[in-house]
Amino acid sequence: DAGVIQSPRHEVTEMGQEVTLRCKPISGHDYLFWYRQTMMRGLELLIYFNNNVPIDDSGMPEDRFSAKMPNASFSTLKIQPSEPRDSAVYFCASRKTMGQGPLGKLFFGSGTQLSVL
Amino acid sequence: QKEVEQDPGPLSVPEGAIVSLNCTYSNSAFQYFMWYRQYSRKGPELLMYTYSSGNKEDGRFTAQVDKSSKYISLFIRDSQPSDSATYLCAMSEGYGQNFVFGPGTRLSVLP
Repeated sequence: DAGVIQSPRHEVTEMGQEVTLRCKPISGHDYLFWYRQTMMRGLELLIYFNNNVPIDDSGMPEDRFSAKMPNASFSTLKIQPSEPRDSAVYFCASRKTMGQGPLGKLFFGSGTQLSVL
Repeated sequence: QKEVEQDPGPLSVPEGAIVSLNCTYSNSAFQYFMWYRQYSRKGPELLMYTYSSGNKEDGRFTAQVDKSSKYISLFIRDSQPSDSATYLCAMSEGYGQNFVFGPGTRLSVLP
């Protein structure tokens, strides 16, 4: 299995521009999570989906952030307009339904390093 | 007070040393405790997990949970340069519930 695939690996953009991050979860996993990691705040959960349906988006910082999961194999996280404080590493992770895998085992992608100038 | 706190890093030790990494937490409802290892420019990967209090051993790694003190530890014996990474603790209230991650401790094992 190729694991969780994220693109792009790096994104440099200017303030005010739209940014779209992409994620392909592991086939067969029905939970998908978006996290953000910074030195100051650590790893923060932004939103997660179950069977393509958003379950909890309380971690999404502002209306500038939106996430979609149109099908079981693809999700996007969009920031519009982007701001310098959005600079962080954004991780996508997936896992199987409870009881079908090791407890708590999230599989993370390699992340997207976002820099907003 | 943050919900989960970890000892500040970075921590540098010589190869072969015993390493102790620790987390404290404030939510007494946490029952599931995990340690993730994150190499530079990679996503975290699950290293160990435990349920409730007690110890769990896996090779050179031992995870301890003391719920009465709201304190968890990860011990690494005979540390190797390949153990150099950031270690994050994570915990949740119930099976399948979302995790709260600690900020992480960066470990460097020097050859």
